Amino acid sequence: DTEVTQTPKHLVMGMTNKKSLKCEQHMGHRAMYWYKQKAKKPPELMFVYSYEKLSINESVPSRFSPECPNSSLLNLHLHALQPEDSALYLCASSPVAGDYEQYFGPGTRLTVT
Amino acid sequence: AQTVTQSQPEMSVQEAETVTLSCTYDTSESDYYLFWYKQPPSRQMILVIRQEAYKQQNATENRFSVNFQKAAKSFSLKISDSQLGDAAMYFCATGSYQLTFGKGTKLSVIP
Repeated sequence: DTEVTQTPKHLVMGMTNKKSLKCEQHMGHRAMYWYKQKAKKPPELMFVYSYEKLSINESVPSRFSPECPNSSLLNLHLHALQPEDSALYLCASSPVAGDYEQYFGPGTRLTVT
Repeated sequence: AQTVTQSQPEMSVQEAETVTLSCTYDTSESDYYLFWYKQPPSRQMILVIRQEAYKQQNATENRFSVNFQKAAKSFSLKISDSQLGDAAMYFCATGSYQLTFGKGTKLSVIP
């Protein structure tokens, strides 16, 4: 199984809502990543988890809160988002954090109204 | 710190022809990997090919091959026998703990 799954595929939320994005992999990978991708732009790294511990936070606003409950699961909790946060949110995983290719999920298309 | 530059925002190729996408990079790492990712419209980003910097031999994956020039810090992707399914945004990337992506090249395949 070389698949990274993400739910939901699409999400529309108001600025006062609280929602969560979910990412799952069963490849035994110990590094997981959240990226934000705006239209026609490359992905921008948000967070890196290595062995279930947050190792990189790229100065992301606190309205985005990551969580790694176990080695297979990664969540991104969303609260009080702004319209400019509308984007494609990609999850990725790799065997360990380092010089290895990352496997990407299909993404969650988020729209903030 | 790493930088990746893709100087061709858009390219097109006739079906069955060959096309080369350019990428240059800069890194302070002595040992690193380079990647080409493909992202079709509204679809998942997938790895096309990877190159270990310590290997002199250019990587190949079926119709995809790279021309890796380490001294020039150049890493181009050649797609042979182009197919309609090759139409996508192609991102060049490098990095260790975190990937740095180029801005991408949008490839169109003309039937």
